[in-house]
Amino acid sequence: QKEVEQNSGPLSVPEGAIASLNCTYSDRGSQSFFWYRQYSGKSPELIMFIYSNGDKEDGRFTAQLNKASQYVSLLIRDSQPSDSATYLCAAHASGGSYIPTFGRGTSLIVHP
Amino acid sequence: GAVVSQHPSWVICKSGTSVKIECRSLDFQATTMFWYRQFPKQSLMLMATSNEGSKATYEQGVEKDKFLINHASLTLSTLTVTSAHPEDSSFYICSARARGVRDTQYFGPGTRLTVL
Repeated sequence: QKEVEQNSGPLSVPEGAIASLNCTYSDRGSQSFFWYRQYSGKSPELIMFIYSNGDKEDGRFTAQLNKASQYVSLLIRDSQPSDSATYLCAAHASGGSYIPTFGRGTSLIVHP
Repeated sequence: GAVVSQHPSWVICKSGTSVKIECRSLDFQATTMFWYRQFPKQSLMLMATSNEGSKATYEQGVEKDKFLINHASLTLSTLTVTSAHPEDSSFYICSARARGVRDTQYFGPGTRLTVL
């Protein structure tokens, strides 16, 4: 059973702080990892993806991947109230199908 | 680029009726489309994967005769909920993967189905 685990939260951070969202996955053969943001009542929107060990930065967002520990994280710098949402982590299976497995999501609240 | 639309955005129907939801990739050819269902405060649940021109692959526990999926072209996939019941009320979301792309998928805005 391929699983992606996330702490459901809520994670509450003050405006301007760094929010750190974490995700672990069970399938060691997973090749790629995605972070999505989902506002209440809306569909997920892609934030960023990462394939290689290390950090990948895109604006205020940094994704970190450690395949040895089977761990992915998303850092949001200078958090804004508009970042308040549920963040979904997804791991894509190894093999030809690349079927995604989603975590349950972490609720982030950024308070002014 | 990479825009996916869904229609309708919301629908209310009576128990026992069938409802069709369309998912379109507007500016790219989608060789693979995914259909998800999401209940309130729950995560996405993958229902099925459809590849253009072939039968959909359903996840375990999803009734293929109840949730009919057709992926007739590279830009359109449809999900038909047959003989809908109140327990089918949910948020249905499609996503599409472009030709030649290994794993990035783009989500549609979702369809909220309420069965009375």
